[in-house]
Amino acid sequence: DAGVIQSPRHEVTEMGQEVTLRCKPISGHNSLFWYRQTMMRGLELLIYFNNNVPIDDSGMPEDRFSAKMPNASFSTLKIQPSEPRDSAVYFCASSFGTGGYNEQFFGPGTRLTVL
Amino acid sequence: GNSVTQMEGPVTLSEEAFLTINCTYTATGYPSLFWYVQYPGEGLQLLLKATKADDKGSNKGFEATYRKETTSFHLEKGSVQVSDSAVYFCALSDLATNAGKSTFGDGTTLTVKP
Repeated sequence: DAGVIQSPRHEVTEMGQEVTLRCKPISGHNSLFWYRQTMMRGLELLIYFNNNVPIDDSGMPEDRFSAKMPNASFSTLKIQPSEPRDSAVYFCASSFGTGGYNEQFFGPGTRLTVL
Repeated sequence: GNSVTQMEGPVTLSEEAFLTINCTYTATGYPSLFWYVQYPGEGLQLLLKATKADDKGSNKGFEATYRKETTSFHLEKGSVQVSDSAVYFCALSDLATNAGKSTFGDGTTLTVKP
């Protein structure tokens, strides 16, 4: 199995630029999660989809962040415009079921640096 | 709301030492409990889980018992190896109240020295 695939693995951009992170969940999984990890704030859940529908986006920091899941095999997280404080590792995870009792499978992450 | 409190790190042990990482939780419903491990440069991966009270999860020599009376899920290993060096996260998921979200602890960094 390929596991959860994220791209790019590393992204360096300048403040004000648009950044798009991509995720391909494990085939057959119907829940998808976007997380952000920093030393200061730890692991934060940004948004969660179930059957391609956003269920909870209360963790999205502000309007500069948006996420979409146009189909069961692809999701994007967009930051526009990016700011230095957005620098972090962004993880995508997927699971089968509603996500309550089932483990989440994490991708390798995208390390974002905003200069 | 739900919360998870983990023993603060970092934890440094010598090879073959006994490991305990404490985890307590607060939940209004009936959560499932998980331990995830994150190796350097990688995403989190499930180490073990327990879905109801008194269940014991185990994997790779690690184990944890779901204790509802003390709201705890402490991680233990009898003899650690250098390869166990990683960050360990305790997590809970409560289908009834969190719509499938998981609540993670802050993580505990373990370093095992030869």
